[in-house]
Amino acid sequence: GQQLNQSPQSMFIQEGEDVSMNCTSSSIFNTWLWYKQDPGEGPVLLIALYKAGELTSNGRLTAQFGITRKDSFLNISASIPSDVGIYFCAGPQAGGTSYGKLTFGQGTILTVHP
Amino acid sequence: NAGVTQTPKFQVLKTGQSMTLQCAQDMNHEYMSWYRQDPGMGLRLIHYSVGAGITDQGEVPNGYNVSRSTTEDFPLRLLSAAPSQTSVYFCASRVSDAGELFFGEGSRLTVL
Repeated sequence: GQQLNQSPQSMFIQEGEDVSMNCTSSSIFNTWLWYKQDPGEGPVLLIALYKAGELTSNGRLTAQFGITRKDSFLNISASIPSDVGIYFCAGPQAGGTSYGKLTFGQGTILTVHP
Repeated sequence: NAGVTQTPKFQVLKTGQSMTLQCAQDMNHEYMSWYRQDPGMGLRLIHYSVGAGITDQGEVPNGYNVSRSTTEDFPLRLLSAAPSQTSVYFCASRVSDAGELFFGEGSRLTVL
């Protein structure tokens, strides 16, 4: 099946620093999704990307759909303590558009030191 | 404004025991699914349903059964629990094929 590889696996940063993480696949994706999971909670959708090259922002978060359609990037600017959590990339299986059968990356664990 | 509700939040089982994880959504979503989350492996799809009376297997279905008798409920059954099923389980639902997936808060299961 399709696999999504996220890096880095974990990050330890100081409050105020910018964060970058990425997700790559050997298969083409038509949709890229970025989720955040707070401790003890279920994942919540942050940003959805639908076109190659698309750059979308949500507050301090910016995500890009790679031009090759095999990768995506998430950046967080000026991190704050509540950014702590696990960030997942995800995409519909078999390169479709359905959100239902999503393939998830392994996650990037973000720790922010005050 | 309940959304997706999972019960129980925590459960400890002995090997060989059976149990059911409950999932209910009050958003009239047609699609529901179950994922398991294990360290370093992200979320993996166990089973899903595109509507009442219709279920299908996901990536890791072995050892689990599901049924969908109503739009609201999608229980996950473990018939004979094994230590490999120790995990955090998430139920999720969405309104349509391209709609956002909403997750419950998770159920943490430990099999001894």
